[in-house]
Amino acid sequence: DTAVSQTPKYLVTQMGNDKSIKCEQNLGHDTMYWYKQDSKKFLKIMFSYNNKELIINETVPNRFSPKSPDKAHLNLHINSLELGDSAVYFCASSLEGKGTEAFFGQGTRLTVV
Amino acid sequence: SQQGEEDPQALSIQEGENATMNCSYKTSINNLQWYRQNSGRGLVHLILIRSNEREKHSGRLRVTLDTSKKSSSLLITASRAADTASYFCATGRWGAQKLVFGQGTRLTINP
Repeated sequence: DTAVSQTPKYLVTQMGNDKSIKCEQNLGHDTMYWYKQDSKKFLKIMFSYNNKELIINETVPNRFSPKSPDKAHLNLHINSLELGDSAVYFCASSLEGKGTEAFFGQGTRLTVV
Repeated sequence: SQQGEEDPQALSIQEGENATMNCSYKTSINNLQWYRQNSGRGLVHLILIRSNEREKHSGRLRVTLDTSKKSSSLLITASRAADTASYFCATGRWGAQKLVFGQGTRLTINP
């Protein structure tokens, strides 16, 4: 069984559209994250959730709205997609949100055209 | 910026040789971790070293940490073609609720 799974793996969409990426973890972890990896492979935290509560919003535009219906799921909705949103988005989870080992999903490659 | 830096950015060696990658960071930390990312895949955790540790081993991996210099190194011994990947260091801090990643080193092992 996949520990952290996110869907879809690839997403190609036009500017201005709204899209969602789903993430689920079956590890029983309390903390989930969204990271963005740009074209230069730089990984940066976007959001951190602990037991469904938002802990970190790292100056992400309001067009990005995470939703955590329960502690095993953290979905990412993006409104009014822009060309600059093209990147690989990774969901991750950890047992505690204290800088401990993180388990990553396979990533969603978003391409905005 | 808390972003760490890794060097070299790219490293190409022959199979069987040892590979060393370095990571520097800017803030105080609770731990430092190394991750591997194969092309088109997610990150896989390799090893974690705590701030009160100086060296740690796991199989062919050896990690050192020098908190006075705010730096770490990852040594992969007897490299294999399957070790070809990007390697990232990440720092964890108590209460930070996130990992801060370095820019990564792209390692290529030539058969």
